[in-house]
Amino acid sequence: NAGVTQTPKFQVLKTGQSMTLQCAQDMNHEYMSWYRQDPGMGLRLIHYSVGAGITDQGEVPNGYNVSRSTTEDFPLRLLSAAPSQTSVYFCASSSLGRGGYSNQPQHFGDGTRLSIL
Amino acid sequence: GIQVEQSPPDLILQEGANSTLRCNFSDSVNNLQWFHQNPWGQLINLFYIPSGTKQNGRLSATTVATERYSLLYISSSQTTDSGVYFCAATNTGTASKLTFGTGTRLQVTL
Repeated sequence: NAGVTQTPKFQVLKTGQSMTLQCAQDMNHEYMSWYRQDPGMGLRLIHYSVGAGITDQGEVPNGYNVSRSTTEDFPLRLLSAAPSQTSVYFCASSSLGRGGYSNQPQHFGDGTRLSIL
Repeated sequence: GIQVEQSPPDLILQEGANSTLRCNFSDSVNNLQWFHQNPWGQLINLFYIPSGTKQNGRLSATTVATERYSLLYISSSQTTDSGVYFCAATNTGTASKLTFGTGTRLQVTL
């Protein structure tokens, strides 16, 4: 049982390039989300999804796109990379609780360390 | 949105000591979780505890939802407990948006 799998683990981009961070989970979780972690700032929510075809913005969505075509996968796209997007990116998943909320234990992937020059 | 504050920001302990980490939140919550980020960067879910008390080995957690705080207790600390401890919460108004505190960095020395 792999849990939440993120690829790649490391990536270096030049300013203006685009790329997609991959996230896959095998726990049949409805809820998936992306966070970025910057030094001294904890984790901040970028985008989240409560099921296939449903996505919404988190705290810091600008410069990122997501889509959810299947329950298993939730890719994060950087449209035109900027140095301010240098960070560690985490994907997480959970089941949905009563009322369709994400009030269940979150399972995290191991992260993608992204550097933009 | 909800504000989550953790204290202390840094903590150094000798192996075998006990500690209490605190998490204050600004609104009513329907989701409160504690995580440990190990020195390799992995985030491990310790507790899902929107209210009440739970224990798992040397770790326990208590959330007093009416007073808007949660405590994480670490007893008989070990060097493997080192890392950063985060609490995260959602409130009923933004129930799918988990907000993290800035963490408590714990170093356990021999």
